[in-house]
Amino acid sequence: GAVVSQHPSWVICKSGTSVKIECRSLDFQATTMFWYRQFPKQSLMLMATSNEGSKATYEQGVEKDKFLINHASLTLSTLTVTSAHPEDSSFYICSAKTGGEVEQYFGPGTRLTVT
Amino acid sequence: GQNIDQPTEMTATEGAIVQINCTYQTSGFNGLFWYQQHAGEAPTFLSYNVLDGLEEKGRFSSFLSRSKGYSYLLLKELQMKDSASYLCAVLDSNYQLIWGAGTKLIIKP
Repeated sequence: GAVVSQHPSWVICKSGTSVKIECRSLDFQATTMFWYRQFPKQSLMLMATSNEGSKATYEQGVEKDKFLINHASLTLSTLTVTSAHPEDSSFYICSAKTGGEVEQYFGPGTRLTVT
Repeated sequence: GQNIDQPTEMTATEGAIVQINCTYQTSGFNGLFWYQQHAGEAPTFLSYNVLDGLEEKGRFSSFLSRSKGYSYLLLKELQMKDSASYLCAVLDSNYQLIWGAGTKLIIKP
């Protein structure tokens, strides 16, 4: 149980374009989803927290107009990187949890490369 | 500020035991997690400690001392597949995970 999927697993896009990453909880209802970014040899950096049906809460320094997060249902959250630039190339990981639990269940991650 | 410290890298021999330490200073405490992360993959859950003491789960054990702001992950009977990064993360008063930078564990034959 508690499986989280991400799609795509990797994506290459051209500078200036937008890319959408999906995060789905497959066998549970995710009241809260988290989006992380991880650069090589660094730890996870929380970008934003989203609760179903509410606007996402972004961490300091994360541009909400550049990283659009939508959590429209209890099983799906999306992260759209708008006007991507090479410096946005990173490993993006989502996680999900239900309201009564502390543990976050992680998706397999999405490797984004912007050329 | 909030801070979690763990060694950057450790090396151990196959079949041996290794202890990875983690010290933390956070605004509130609602538990400490250890995750394993292989290169290019997402973290996988290893353990969760919220009370003082040792939690044993197979070859892996995790210890917590809240008064000292200290935890360790103990790996026994090391296998080559244990080569990975081990991340310590604390759940703060807002139930937000604060992550350490991770410890890269290298296992040698």
